[in-house]
Amino acid sequence: DTGVSQDPRHKITKRGQNVTFRCDPISEHNRLYWYRQTLGQGPEFLTYFQNEAQLEKSRLLSDRFSAERPKGSFSTLEIQRTEQGDSAMYLCASSAVETQYFGPGTRLLVL
Amino acid sequence: TQLLEQSPQFLSIQEGENLTVYCNSSSVFSSLQWYRQEPGEGPVLLVTVVTGGEVKKLKRLTFQFGDARKDSSLHITAAQPGDTGLYLCAGFRGNQFYFGTGTSLTVIP
Repeated sequence: DTGVSQDPRHKITKRGQNVTFRCDPISEHNRLYWYRQTLGQGPEFLTYFQNEAQLEKSRLLSDRFSAERPKGSFSTLEIQRTEQGDSAMYLCASSAVETQYFGPGTRLLVL
Repeated sequence: TQLLEQSPQFLSIQEGENLTVYCNSSSVFSSLQWYRQEPGEGPVLLVTVVTGGEVKKLKRLTFQFGDARKDSSLHITAAQPGDTGLYLCAGFRGNQFYFGTGTSLTVIP
């Protein structure tokens, strides 16, 4: 257990539905990262927060994706109008300096 | 464009053998991390190396950061079936972590 939790662990949805994932980082860490990972590949950066500020977003993060970190604590990642290509593992990681600790991930399947 | 390339991509060896995984880039990183990931789980941090030329040992695992901080290697001695998993390197630069392509290791009993 790294101290980073994600909810839900698994999500099955139909194409066109909206989904929201939650991440609770290690409490003293001010940085939080979201990644997407497909089978057998390394994680791809989506976005990161320092405290409550979203400082960087990947080009992968289309306008259907939005992330928030109110009050600099937990974070949510929402995908609107899901597509089959959104099926992947969504990983959250929290970081204090140059090391990050991952949560267990949320596996999304879009039917 | 992948900043970090790992080799080999796949590795299948017998229990007791030694192996080395390489993580290479043309970019300089301020630090580099190695992770192991099992199916359906998040990556688990193994080590962070910060100084060029640094060598760290974790039981049967030896990690080295290149002198120029552009590359790294992971050496496993006497591999065991419990070492099976996806090994990922990640370089830290400019507030982002850039992941390698991954090495899938299978250790056969």
